[in-house]
Amino acid sequence: GAVVSQHPSWVICKSGTSVKIECRSLDFQATTMFWYRQFPKQSLMLMATSNEGSKATYEQGVEKDKFLINHASLTLSTLTVTSAHPEDSSFYICSAPPGQGWTEAFFGQGTRLTVV
Amino acid sequence: GIQVEQSPPDLILQEGANSTLRCNFSDSVNNLQWFHQNPWGQLINLFYIPSGTKQNGRLSATTVATERYSLLYISSSQTTDSGVYFCADSGNTGKLIFGQGTTLQVKP
Repeated sequence: GAVVSQHPSWVICKSGTSVKIECRSLDFQATTMFWYRQFPKQSLMLMATSNEGSKATYEQGVEKDKFLINHASLTLSTLTVTSAHPEDSSFYICSAPPGQGWTEAFFGQGTRLTVV
Repeated sequence: GIQVEQSPPDLILQEGANSTLRCNFSDSVNNLQWFHQNPWGQLINLFYIPSGTKQNGRLSATTVATERYSLLYISSSQTTDSGVYFCADSGNTGKLIFGQGTTLQVKP
C-alpha cells in the first residue's frame, strides 16, 4: 500500500505563531491529499482537499485564510495553521485517497498540535 | 454527502469475549473501510470492504451494500484490541467520511 509520512508528530507553539505540518507521499505521486482534524474523543472531520498545482478546496466552515494548504509537488502537501490559538489545538492527519493506484485510503501518522 | 452512523459508541469487554460493531450509511457505499486508531492516534487499516466478507485473524468484516451497512466482528478479544474503531466511506464524492467511532475497552 501507499506510504504517507507526516511531520512533525507533535508540536507545541505559542498563541499567535504559525505552524507548518508536512505530509509526504513516499512511494507514489499524489495529485490529491486530504487533511482531517480530530478533537479529543471525536471523529475525524475533513477540512480540505489539497490539489497539486492548484488551490485547495475547503469544507464548509473551515477558514481558508487560517489553514493554508500548499501542494506544490506531487510528493508534498503542507498545512500551515496561521496565527494559532488554543482552540486550534487538535490532531491533524493527512490522507492519500483511494484511486491513485490502490482502492483504499492511507493515512499519515498525524500531528498533535498544542497551542499555549 | 454520505452520513455514517456507528454503534455502539462505547463497548467494554472482558478478555476473550466476542463483539460486533456496526456502521449504517445514508447512501450507496463505494470505498468502505474499517480502521483501528491506536493510542498514539495512528489509523491502522483493517479492511477495505465495499461488499462481501473478509477475514484477517480474529477480525472479520461483512458489508451488505444493498442494505447500506457493515459489521466488524472481533473474536476472542485481547487487551491490545482496545482503542477506537472507525468505519468510513466516500460515497460518490471521493472524500472519505468517518463515523463517530466505537471506543472499545478490553479488560484483562
